[in-house]
Amino acid sequence: DTGVSQNPRHKITKRGQNVTFRCDPISEHNRLYWYRQTLGQGPEFLTYFQNEAQLEKSRLLSDRFSAERPKGSFSTLEIQRTEQGDSAMYLCASSRGMNTEAFFGQGTRLTVV
Amino acid sequence: QQPVQSPQAVILREGEDAVINCSSSKALYSVHWYRQKHGEAPVFLMILLKGGEQKGHEKISASFNEKKQQSSLYLTASQLSYSGTYFCGTDSTGNTPLVFGKGTRLSVIA
Repeated sequence: DTGVSQNPRHKITKRGQNVTFRCDPISEHNRLYWYRQTLGQGPEFLTYFQNEAQLEKSRLLSDRFSAERPKGSFSTLEIQRTEQGDSAMYLCASSRGMNTEAFFGQGTRLTVV
Repeated sequence: QQPVQSPQAVILREGEDAVINCSSSKALYSVHWYRQKHGEAPVFLMILLKGGEQKGHEKISASFNEKKQQSSLYLTASQLSYSGTYFCGTDSTGNTPLVFGKGTRLSVIA
C-alpha cells in the first residue's frame, strides 16, 4: 500500500492554458474522488468514479472541467482554458466503497497567473 | 448542504480538552471526521453511522445524534500533535460523496 499518489504536486500555468492532473489511487480501491480545496475551506466535492464509471459529475465547476478513469485505475482531471479563479489545491481520494475510510493524496496545487 | 462546524478555531494548552461540533440541516446517514495538518493531506479519524454510536480513537472520540443531525468530536488531554484543522464530512443517504464543513482550526500550545 503506497497510498494515493498525485502528480504534479505543483502547477503554475498562464490563464487560458489547459492543465491535466493525474491521480493513482490505492490499487484495490474501486472508488475514486476528486475534490477542490481553497484556503480556509473544506474540500469541495467535484466528481467520483466507481471503477471506470463516472457516477456523479454535476458538481464539476463548469464545462471546462472533465475527468476520466480509463480501465478503472488511475484518473485524470483536466481543466481547459484556465482562469485565475481555478487556482486551488486539487485533492484526489480513494476508498473501497461508500462509508469506508477514504485516503487522500497530497494534492496538486494549481496557480493560474 | 454544507455542514456547519463550531467553533471555527480554538487554542488549547497541552492536557486540556476540546469539543468540536458538526451540524447539518439535512438528515444524515453518516459523519466522517478528518484532520489536516498544514500542507498535508486530510487524514481519516473515524466514521459514525446513524444509530447514535460513539467511537474512539486513542484519546479522540466522537458521537452522532441522528435526531439532532449533529456529531461532536471530543479531544481529551490534548497533545501538541493534535494541532491541525478538523473537518467533518457528511453523507445524507449512505451512497453519496461526502460534503465537508469549513473546518475547525485547533492549536495546541505547550
